[in-house]
Amino acid sequence: DQQVKQNSPSLSVQEGRISILNCDYTNSMFDYFLWYKKYPAEGPTFLISISSIKDKNEDGRFTVFLNKSAKHLSLHIVPSQPGDSAVYFCAASRISSGSARQLTFGSGTQLTVLP
Amino acid sequence: NAGVMQNPRHLVRRRGQEARLRCSPMKGHSHVYWYRQLPEEGLKFMVYLQKENIIDESGMPKERFSAEFPKEGPSILRIQQVVRGDSAAYFCASSPLPGGMTDTQYFGPGTRLTVL
Repeated sequence: DQQVKQNSPSLSVQEGRISILNCDYTNSMFDYFLWYKKYPAEGPTFLISISSIKDKNEDGRFTVFLNKSAKHLSLHIVPSQPGDSAVYFCAASRISSGSARQLTFGSGTQLTVLP
Repeated sequence: NAGVMQNPRHLVRRRGQEARLRCSPMKGHSHVYWYRQLPEEGLKFMVYLQKENIIDESGMPKERFSAEFPKEGPSILRIQQVVRGDSAAYFCASSPLPGGMTDTQYFGPGTRLTVL
């Protein structure tokens, strides 16, 4: 049962344009959402997060939007740069046993920014 | 660099051998999470530990896998009698506090285990 889904395995965007990466979730208990970027042979790098009490969070070129009624979030990157080319993972979090906050990841979207 | 450290970065084992993966959390972090990434998939939670305690092991396979985070030293993920299906990238993450709304996990570079 895939609770966090990234339905686009890949996305290509021209440098300078907007990149929009999408993520859907099914578990209404998730209350904190994160985006990570991952280069080959490296660990995921934290990008930006949003709690369920907000619908938007912005940090520089990165903005995350959350639509709770649709159980959907998206990451906007403006303007896109070639160095943004990487796999982007959406992750969702909720309190579980012993106050642990395990992350549930989507399968990732490979973003390629073309110069 | 005070980031999460993992070693070894690459580990090759033959079927039936043991694999030991180590993780040192970021300075000031006392909570460690282990995740596994199979080829072409996202990361999947395995276990959450605090010093000397396993808090949540709901993602750990019931057999052959164990984890510890001793009072001194790194966290260890141990896989006994490895099989080919254990081949994956194993990532460790750390956080300063558990459960908080803004508790972000920071990841290490991973250990890539190959079972021959």
